[in-house]
Amino acid sequence: EIVLTQSPATLSLSPGERATLSCRASQSVIDYLAWYQQKPGQAPRLLIYDASNRATGIPARFSGSGSGTDFTLTISSLEPEDFAVYYCQQRSNWPPTWTFGQGTKVEIK
Amino acid sequence: QLQLQESGPGLVKPSETLSLFCTVSGVSVSSSQYYWGWIRQPPGRGLEWIGTLSYTGSTYSNPSLESRVTISVDTSKNQFSLKLSSVTAADTAVYYCARPLPVAGLAFAPWGQGTLVTVSS
Repeated sequence: EIVLTQSPATLSLSPGERATLSCRASQSVIDYLAWYQQKPGQAPRLLIYDASNRATGIPARFSGSGSGTDFTLTISSLEPEDFAVYYCQQRSNWPPTWTFGQGTKVEIK
Repeated sequence: QLQLQESGPGLVKPSETLSLFCTVSGVSVSSSQYYWGWIRQPPGRGLEWIGTLSYTGSTYSNPSLESRVTISVDTSKNQFSLKLSSVTAADTAVYYCARPLPVAGLAFAPWGQGTLVTVSS
């Protein structure tokens, strides 16, 4: 089973700052890596799929990079609505299984 | 526009079977190359994938839950369902239905709003 480890657990930043979130896989996931944003009381929302592709309607300040075992979600300049919890998720090819990281909380400093 | 909505009992007794439904609007639940999935989130904790049903009829489940999970489709109601047997307090969570999107590497989009299920006597 592939384990995803996200770091840091909490990121304290101010609006306008750059956020860099990390997701490391215990073995290669190629580029089957997605990122989600979750706000309190809401369902997660897909931000990035296949490591670097923005989902429909996602602002350009969100970008994803990486391949293999190391991935990064970058928010270039934090907006007030970006303070939330972010999860990475991988999908294994065969048998198809999905795994989530434990999450990174981006909070207002 | 595809939308998903979960429904089902909010309270289930220990050892019983949890049954939830996800009503799909905007697309046929049996459309070509469909996938449908369930994810849960215990209160205050992270996301856990439960299982995914594919258009081939195969169900893929989290190994930790596999023996207790059944996912099926009801085309007459345009719904898919989750049954989780022999529940315990550890199964208390918000349960989400979601679509693994083929054009997005089977990432989940969209999601339903979620429904809280509490396991308690």
